[in-house]
Amino acid sequence: EADIYQTPRYLVIGTGKKITLECSQTMGHDKMYWYQQDPGMELHLIHYSYGVNSTEKGDLSSESTVSRIRTEHFPLTLESARPSHTSQYLCASSRQGGSYNEQFFGPGTRLTVL
Amino acid sequence: AQRVTQPEKLLSVFKGAPVELKCNYSYSGSPELFWYVQYSRQRLQLLLRHISRESIKGFTADLNKGETSFHLKKPFAQEEDSAMYYCALGEWGTGNQFYFGTGTSLTVIP
Repeated sequence: EADIYQTPRYLVIGTGKKITLECSQTMGHDKMYWYQQDPGMELHLIHYSYGVNSTEKGDLSSESTVSRIRTEHFPLTLESARPSHTSQYLCASSRQGGSYNEQFFGPGTRLTVL
Repeated sequence: AQRVTQPEKLLSVFKGAPVELKCNYSYSGSPELFWYVQYSRQRLQLLLRHISRESIKGFTADLNKGETSFHLKKPFAQEEDSAMYYCALGEWGTGNQFYFGTGTSLTVIP
């Protein structure tokens, strides 16, 4: 079944740890995105990708990095987690196209850094 | 710069009453406007987009370029409409950026 998967769903980790948030989609989409969302706040685009080996930073400055080695996989890595990274991270994907196509969202990863 | 403004964080209406969720945007080019919805314990999902000019679940939204608004409306609210609603703006053509508002939590009172 076509879907977007994010793991883990919840993560509590200590300061200084390296973490990778996984995102995979079986939608056949070229575009993928990572958003950060604090409670009661807007979603901020932190990274996006148009396809394999394409990654760009979004509107919100982030200390995270991403990679796009396979079309279906778009992991996000924090080299050294800090309490300020505590947030919800949403992965999304969409079809390629000149105008905007619908973005499909994953279930999210709620990260807490102690 | 704030691209999308949703002035109401919380909105409560009675069942059967009209509801309007406000959205204003700031963009000089040709924007694409969307409404996304997140029901309790569900994922964020597209509700409607301005270019489709469609009505979804009884909701409509008209793009008013003069007032730079894209308010979401429904004439008769239902309990199942209770959810978090996000207005979003995409930069047409480049497809580079996508901006969400802060969201409005709608509660429909039975």
